[in-house]
Amino acid sequence: GEDVEQSLFLSVREGDSSVINCTYTDSSSTYLYWYKQEPGAGLQLLTYIFSNMDMKQDQRLTVLLNKKDKHLSLRIADTQTGDSAIYFCAESKYGATNKLIFGTGTLLAVQP
Amino acid sequence: EAGVAQSPRYKIIEKRQSVAFWCNPISGHATLYWYQQILGQGPKLLIQFQNNGVVDDSQLPKDRFSAERLKGVDSTLKIQPAKLEDSAVYLCASSLVSGNIQYFGAGTRLSVL
Repeated sequence: GEDVEQSLFLSVREGDSSVINCTYTDSSSTYLYWYKQEPGAGLQLLTYIFSNMDMKQDQRLTVLLNKKDKHLSLRIADTQTGDSAIYFCAESKYGATNKLIFGTGTLLAVQP
Repeated sequence: EAGVAQSPRYKIIEKRQSVAFWCNPISGHATLYWYQQILGQGPKLLIQFQNNGVVDDSQLPKDRFSAERLKGVDSTLKIQPAKLEDSAVYLCASSLVSGNIQYFGAGTRLSVL
């Protein structure tokens, strides 16, 4: 089945780390993505991870993948007020149609 | 490199009217997607094109929605007639080929009154 779940809201203080969690149900997913959406804007790709990887780090972002539990997380180190946005995780399978299945999004609020 | 361009940014119409959205993908991208994002939800795929052919339109409400990509570049999405529940942001995305990273435009926000 296709279902991606996220918690709705996360509030952190500036300078702290943020951890946004996501669970998915399709074990055949090939790629897992994190997108950021600021108010009134489209989706900005932050990072992605192949299903055969456990971790990926890119500057302040760390993605962890637990395939056994179908759990994906995004850690943002030293969170800044500019990180305030909605974060979507998404899954896709490689093939003729690689549509993205998105979660409902997590609103990250960074308090100064 | 220019990103995915969409127009208009905003559109307000009354129910039963018609509306059309336009998308210009990143140059050279063969695959084009239209997603619908209802407030408080993640985007959902409406239709996917590979060049000018439809790959997946299983979630497109074909009684009122239509889309075309005649020359394999620009695409238009039309709603006729619109319903209140069509109020949403319509996002266009493109990728080099199917299976590659998808890049999104800023979207068109539609309000149906």
